[in-house]
Amino acid sequence: KAGVTQTPRYLIKTRGQQVTLSCSPISGHRSVSWYQQTPGQGLQFLFEYFSETQRNKGNFPGRFSGRQFSNSRSEMNVSTLELGDSALYLCASSSQDVGLADYNEQFFGPGTRLTVL
Amino acid sequence: AQSVAQPEDQVNVAEGNPLTVKCTYSVSGNPYLFWYVQYPNRGLQFLLKYITGDNLVKGSYGFEAEFNKSQTSFHLKKPSALVSDSALYFCAVRDIERNTGRRALTFGSGTRLQVQP
Repeated sequence: KAGVTQTPRYLIKTRGQQVTLSCSPISGHRSVSWYQQTPGQGLQFLFEYFSETQRNKGNFPGRFSGRQFSNSRSEMNVSTLELGDSALYLCASSSQDVGLADYNEQFFGPGTRLTVL
Repeated sequence: AQSVAQPEDQVNVAEGNPLTVKCTYSVSGNPYLFWYVQYPNRGLQFLLKYITGDNLVKGSYGFEAEFNKSQTSFHLKKPSALVSDSALYFCAVRDIERNTGRRALTFGSGTRLQVQP
């Protein structure tokens, strides 16, 4: 099976712009999670989707949003970019069954490196 | 609230020696514990998990971890380290909050393992 893919891999934006990142999970996986990784804050959970429904949300401002499509592909959007949004954004997919979603490991994509100037 | 702590930013070990990467956790319910590894410029890879059952869990690449409920720890171990084990290691805990049903996957700050030849 193909792994989790994320596009684009690298992105440079300026403050105030918005950005959309895309994630395609492993075939058959219905759960997609997003994380922000920075040197200072480490790996922080953004949100989790299962079958197009947001199941869980981290402590990020409303500028960060996401969605999941019927084919399980997911996008996350960041509006009004700030310098502090520069980070590696990781997407992970997991599980084919919501009953197992808590127990199953996650498979991570390579990430999108966002730089905000 | 749940949390997970990795008290060591970096662990240095000589090749062939045993290694331990420490992790402690705090959850309100039963913990579901995971270890992931991250190589440079790549996403995280799953190593092993504890859901229930035997306290000693075996995972990929010869790694194992011991779940200790009384000490709320889940230390990662390997009997003989390889130079190729040098990477960033993350401990994570999934907790289901009894009152809210909220599910969160929280990662530790990461421990950089450096194995010297």
